[in-house]
Amino acid sequence: AQKITQTQPGMFVQEKEAVTLDCTYDTSDQSYGLFWYKQPSSGEMIFLIYQGSYDEQNATEGRYSLNFQKARKSANLVISASQLGDSAMYFCAMREGLNTGFQKLVFGTGTRLLVSP
Amino acid sequence: EAGVVQSPRYKIIEKKQPVAFWCNPISGHNTLYWYLQNLGQGPELLIRYENEEAVDDSQLPKDRFSAERLKGVDSTLKIQPAELGDSAVYLCASSLDPAGSSYNEQFFGPGTRLTVL
Repeated sequence: AQKITQTQPGMFVQEKEAVTLDCTYDTSDQSYGLFWYKQPSSGEMIFLIYQGSYDEQNATEGRYSLNFQKARKSANLVISASQLGDSAMYFCAMREGLNTGFQKLVFGTGTRLLVSP
Repeated sequence: EAGVVQSPRYKIIEKKQPVAFWCNPISGHNTLYWYLQNLGQGPELLIRYENEEAVDDSQLPKDRFSAERLKGVDSTLKIQPAELGDSAVYLCASSLDPAGSSYNEQFFGPGTRLTVL
């Protein structure tokens, strides 16, 4: 089974609108971390936001927020007030077994976001 | 502060030729990662270094791939001989925190896009 599922290959949004990028995950661990990365056309992966499985509050970083629904195993990224520069690939990733030694980051297949004027 | 530096950015070679990629991590980052990113996919970990020691190379195809991190700073990933299926983006990342910590933010370089003809 896929550890990380991103069902939206592409999303379109108008500038200044909010957009939600979906991510569901599969794990039997109690302790895990969820990450979102942005990959513009230049190629580097840019860290956006992190949510730990024990964090009670949804993570927020500026215009980015993570809608964490633990029972549904979803960790959707919400981008408010979209900007043209938000056009990029967005990857959801997970690390399982936190604090039990190294566990690698597992990425989803990504969602391409296009922001139009 | 400079980010993770990778070179070359692009490389085109014929199959059966050797190729090497170079990575300079962020200063002070002890942990270095090499990832493979196939088209339309998220990155997959190839190898992880803690200082100069390769502590996780289980995903590295050792028949043709090799890596080194002399003096625990720069790293080189080599493919010899290259095959058509090796065409992909090779990303390098580094992190400051010990790899087993919960947060472990990884900083990525821009990647090397390899095309094997």
